[in-house]
Amino acid sequence: SQTIHQWPATLVQPVGSPLSLECTVEGTSNPNLYWYRQAAGRGLQLLFYSVGIGQISSEVPQNLSASRPQDRQFILSSKKLLLSDSGFYLCAWSVMDRIAKNIQYFGAGTRLSVL
Amino acid sequence: DAKTTQPNSMESNEEEPVHLPCNHSTISGTDYIHWYRQLPSQGPEYVIHGLTSNVNNRMASLAIAEDRKSSTLILHRATLRDAAVYYCILRDMKTSYDKVIFGPGTSLSVIP
Repeated sequence: SQTIHQWPATLVQPVGSPLSLECTVEGTSNPNLYWYRQAAGRGLQLLFYSVGIGQISSEVPQNLSASRPQDRQFILSSKKLLLSDSGFYLCAWSVMDRIAKNIQYFGAGTRLSVL
Repeated sequence: DAKTTQPNSMESNEEEPVHLPCNHSTISGTDYIHWYRQLPSQGPEYVIHGLTSNVNNRMASLAIAEDRKSSTLILHRATLRDAAVYYCILRDMKTSYDKVIFGPGTSLSVIP
């Protein structure tokens, strides 16, 4: 069966520090991968999505970046965190075919507090 | 993905049915209707999806209008554990890229 791992669960970082959040998927091949951010009490904001290794589409210009070094690994990074980067970060995957119906499966999320 | 509109919030009494509406007037012929829900402090989880016909699973039922411009997620007996934000989104099975946008959803409160 397929599983998605996202870590860490919580993170407290000072302003100006770097960030690296990792997400890995098991049990499937060539998934589409996504990073979302959710501010407190708000909806999901799509940050990045990837349809293959090295292929990253950015939805929101900001100081975050994403990379996909392996088929089932998706990394969210920042060189210098801002206060506004605080939020709940969610990784998700889907397979786009008529059997899987492109259903998205989400990780447990990382709650990031930038102080 | 085409746009959907949902009420911001709804309330239901425990053990009563809940009907969560979603409008998608610009839906295309290849769009599937997907519903997800997000419990507090968790990632969203898939609930149900459909194309044209009504669908049932262990979590809920999905009623799709004949013109497909609206749909309704039905929880047959609301429990306190059903209190969550419910998202209705459209997924185009024909596109070659995969951009998925979630709207604000409907926040469902269940009253004991």
